[in-house]
Amino acid sequence: AQSVTQLGSHVSVSEGALVLLRCNYSSSVPPYLFWYVQYPNQGLQLLLKYTSAATLVKGINGFEAEFKKSETSFHLTKPSAHMSDAAEYFCAVSDAGGFKTIFGAGTRLFVKA
Amino acid sequence: EAGVAQSPRYKIIEKRQSVAFWCNPISGHATLYWYQQILGQGPKLLIQFQNNGVVDDSQLPKDRFSAERLKGVDSTLKIQPAKLEDSAVYLCASSETIPAAAGNTIYFGEGSWLTVV
Repeated sequence: AQSVTQLGSHVSVSEGALVLLRCNYSSSVPPYLFWYVQYPNQGLQLLLKYTSAATLVKGINGFEAEFKKSETSFHLTKPSAHMSDAAEYFCAVSDAGGFKTIFGAGTRLFVKA
Repeated sequence: EAGVAQSPRYKIIEKRQSVAFWCNPISGHATLYWYQQILGQGPKLLIQFQNNGVVDDSQLPKDRFSAERLKGVDSTLKIQPAKLEDSAVYLCASSETIPAAAGNTIYFGEGSWLTVV
């Protein structure tokens, strides 16, 4: 069975600082991994996804994530936080069969001026 | 391209009443999902349709929740009777196919916010 663990329900950074949101997954088969962002009162929007091509995946708004099989991790990073990055971020996993996508509990990112 | 449309956006009902949510997916998307998102949690899949057939409804509380996707396009999610713990955002989403080898993206609507009092 697949599962996703996001470490830290809340992360606070200063504007201009590095953003690091952690995600670890469990899957018995090669996974497909996703990061979604949710702004207040909106649905989820795809930031980036890993589908077994390059292990370093670049997404929208300057975010990127690296797939590390040995660590079963898919952490999300951004070199310099912007106030507009304040939102909730969800890591998700689906298996190669793609039948079901499981979402983590989410990490709320706060950006301080 | 139009996104996933949902209505109503907000609904407040008393416990034991019924409520229905409507969803129109992105045109041409074969797979439609209903997720429940309780405050502070990630989305939980309630039901997944492939065209007008049910692929997965293992987490749908079938004694009170029902969903249909007639003609393989739009869908309705109904709750009857509602309980306090049903207060949540109900997210409809769609993708081109089951997110298989291509790692298809799931596109979400803005959600229908339900408060049961």
